[in-house]
Amino acid sequence: SQKIEQNSEALNIQEGKTATLTCNYTNYSPAYLQWYRQDPGRGPVFLLLIRENEKEKRKERLKVTFDTTLKQSLFHITASQPADSATYLCALDKRGNNRLAFGKGNQVVVIP
Amino acid sequence: GAGVSQSPRYKVAKRGQDVALRCDPISGHVSLFWYQQALGQGPEFLTYFQNEAQLDKSGLPSDRFFAERPEGSVSTLKIQRTQQEDSAVYLCASSLGPEQPQHFGDGTRLSIL
Repeated sequence: SQKIEQNSEALNIQEGKTATLTCNYTNYSPAYLQWYRQDPGRGPVFLLLIRENEKEKRKERLKVTFDTTLKQSLFHITASQPADSATYLCALDKRGNNRLAFGKGNQVVVIP
Repeated sequence: GAGVSQSPRYKVAKRGQDVALRCDPISGHVSLFWYQQALGQGPEFLTYFQNEAQLDKSGLPSDRFFAERPEGSVSTLKIQRTQQEDSAVYLCASSLGPEQPQHFGDGTRLSIL
């Protein structure tokens, strides 16, 4: 069956450190993968999109990698700040259509 | 506004009532999506429009769910004869086109009593 797995345990991290989140998938062949941030009571906010032919993408303090052999994406927040505390969702496309399949999300708590 | 707008933000209905949820996408966005999000879960795809054409409705859970986008802009998700299991947050997203980032509204939180 198709699965998208993100760590269910919250990641507690000290301010200034790098937070690293993992997204593993099985039985998908995505053309691209997206990461979103979601705060309580709000909709997901788009952060980064990485395509299958890209190994790495950066935006300010964020970095995403995409390994289609391992079927894994890593999401890094460098120099983390308390304002980065949120749930981060991994989403990938079902090749051939535009619908996104989401993981359950991974909560990050940055401790001052 | 610049973002996706959804209304109402909260809706409480009695079991058996019909509800209608509205989505105003970002101007110029061709693609529009509806998702359902249960507590503690990621969004689950419901349906997808490209302009006014509904290209994929495979995620709609039953024939009580119906979506439309008659002029290729505003969309409405209608749920008939609501059931308690329909309680969830309904999210709308729009994008410039295929394989582009999706931009979400803040959703409608639907509670069925």
